[in-house]
Amino acid sequence: DVKVTQSSRYLVKRTGEKVFLECVQDMDHENMFWYRQDPGLGLRLIYFSYDVKMKEKGDIPEGYSVSREKKERFSLILESASTNQTSMYLCASSPRTGSSSADTQYFGPGTRLTVL
Amino acid sequence: KQEVTQIPAALSVPEGENLVLNCSFTDSAIYNLQWFRQDPGKGLTSLLLIQSSQREQTSGRLNASLDKSSGRSTLYIAASQPGDSATYLCAVRPGGYSTLTFGKGTMLLVSP
Repeated sequence: DVKVTQSSRYLVKRTGEKVFLECVQDMDHENMFWYRQDPGLGLRLIYFSYDVKMKEKGDIPEGYSVSREKKERFSLILESASTNQTSMYLCASSPRTGSSSADTQYFGPGTRLTVL
Repeated sequence: KQEVTQIPAALSVPEGENLVLNCSFTDSAIYNLQWFRQDPGKGLTSLLLIQSSQREQTSGRLNASLDKSSGRSTLYIAASQPGDSATYLCAVRPGGYSTLTFGKGTMLLVSP
């Protein structure tokens, strides 16, 4: 079974802190994604990566950065956390684009981040 | 820009009912469409994936249909059970890209 793990289920941080959210997948997937989920707004894509050291902006990249130094690990970084970044953060992975039209994204359990 | 809409936003039914969840999308040039389930405070689990060339997919009591030309998909749940209570999300994948565009979901509550 594909497994996507996230470093924390719950996290509480102070405004202005630097925050790292870690995601690890064990299926050798090329693609990895970071989403945030908010009531009434649904899931929105923050950043994604097609390969090691590669990154692409999603729909809402402002205030975030990412790092992918190893294929299995994709980190989301909040350089200076703000209260409007309080949210549920979900990581996902999928096989390489074009490998099959039947591929899906596999999601981690999520990290509930509260910024005070 | 692709937009995905799910109706209704919430649904409450007694156990045993058959029900239909609706999903519509604005750009018919999609690679595939997926239905996901999300339990409260948890990640997403893929239920059914319909490729652009397919019309429907079935898994147990779940059946999903796709009408690409009209930009619509439905998720049919037969003989609903309390364990089906969750939020159901529809997502479309644009042609050639790996990203997904999600609807806001339908929150389903099945009462015993």
